[in-house]
Amino acid sequence: AQSVTQPDIHITVSEGASLELRCNYSYGATPYLFWYVQSPGQGLQLLLKYFSGDTLVQGIKGFEAEFKRSQSSFNLRKPSVHWSDAAEYFCAVGDRGLTFGKGTHLIIQP
Amino acid sequence: DAGITQSPRHKVTETGTPVTLRCHQTENHRYMYWYRQDPGHGLRLIHYSYGVKDTDKGEVSDGYSVSRSKTEDFLLTLESATSSQTSVYFCAISGVDRGFAGELFFGEGSRLTVL
Repeated sequence: AQSVTQPDIHITVSEGASLELRCNYSYGATPYLFWYVQSPGQGLQLLLKYFSGDTLVQGIKGFEAEFKRSQSSFNLRKPSVHWSDAAEYFCAVGDRGLTFGKGTHLIIQP
Repeated sequence: DAGITQSPRHKVTETGTPVTLRCHQTENHRYMYWYRQDPGHGLRLIHYSYGVKDTDKGEVSDGYSVSRSKTEDFLLTLESATSSQTSVYFCAISGVDRGFAGELFFGEGSRLTVL
């Protein structure tokens, strides 16, 4: 069965600093991978996805993620965070429906 | 935004009562899903549907049933609600035709409180 691990429950970053959120997955075949963001009281919004091809994928809001098969990872990055990036971030792997990690809560310090 | 409407958006009920949550989509997508979201657990799949009258269980299906009599509607029923089913419930639809593994678009959620 597939699974997703997000090792960091909370991350605090200063505004303007770079960001990396970690995601490790377990899946038997070539995975379909996703990052979603959830603002308080809202539904989930897709940031980016990986199906195949180039292992570095670009998403919305200036986010990118890199698929590394050898490390079973799909880490999310942003060069410079903004206060509006404060939210909950979920990594997911696709199979029968998506399997989600437990999320990383991002806090932005002024 | 994907045309997904969940109703009711908020509901408070008592233990032992039946509850039905409705998900309505205007995108004509084949695949629909119900998830629950709880602190410390992320989102967990309850049930999913791959067509009219075609449904299957997800990770946390005990205590829940679903029905899909029309492409646009996917109903989640708690036959006898328990306090452990207090949660936020999200409906989702698949955005691309990659079967079950495609990207999902989510509704705004239904917050259920069971007293």
